[in-house]
Amino acid sequence: DAGVIQSPRHEVTEMGQEVTLRCKPISGHDYLFWYRQTMMRGLELLIYFNNNVPIDDSGMPEDRFSAKMPNASFSTLKIQPSEPRDSAVYFCASSLARSETQYFGPGTRLLVL
Amino acid sequence: GNSVTQMEGPVTLSEEAFLTINCTYTATGYPSLFWYVQYPGEGLQLLLKATKADDKGSNKGFEATYRKETTSFHLEKGSVQVSDSAVYFCALSDRDQAGTALIFGKGTTLSVSS
Repeated sequence: DAGVIQSPRHEVTEMGQEVTLRCKPISGHDYLFWYRQTMMRGLELLIYFNNNVPIDDSGMPEDRFSAKMPNASFSTLKIQPSEPRDSAVYFCASSLARSETQYFGPGTRLLVL
Repeated sequence: GNSVTQMEGPVTLSEEAFLTINCTYTATGYPSLFWYVQYPGEGLQLLLKATKADDKGSNKGFEATYRKETTSFHLEKGSVQVSDSAVYFCALSDRDQAGTALIFGKGTTLSVSS
């Protein structure tokens, strides 16, 4: 298996623009997680899905953030409008079960100018 | 609630030195415990895990033993290499706690010099 795939790997955008991050989980994994990592706040869970259904979005910082999972092999995290404080590395991870090993993608490094 | 506490870094060692990174946890049920490693510019990778008390996880020369009596899961390696320089995260999952997934510590940065 190719592992968790994320795109783009790097994104530079200007404040106010819409940003869409993409994730393809490992085939057969029922859980998908979105994390944000910054130097100041460390690793934060934003939202996770089970069988394409959002289960816990309490970590989503604001209404500017939204996430979808239209099918078992694809998820998006959208920021609209983006702000400089959204600059971070965003990771997607997937797992077979909620409390089991999560497999992380390489991350998307977002810079909002 | 459940939580994980790791020793703060950075930890700076010379090659072939002994490594210990402390991790303690608080959990209401019977969690599984994990160590993840993040190399520069990469995502987190599972390093090792233990699913019940007294289990020892091991991988790449790293070891950690699940100690329920001290609620700890300390990471050790007998002889570190420069290539071990990375950020290490301790994590737990509590299967009895509905709605939660993995809970991560803040990470400990290890820097090994030759």
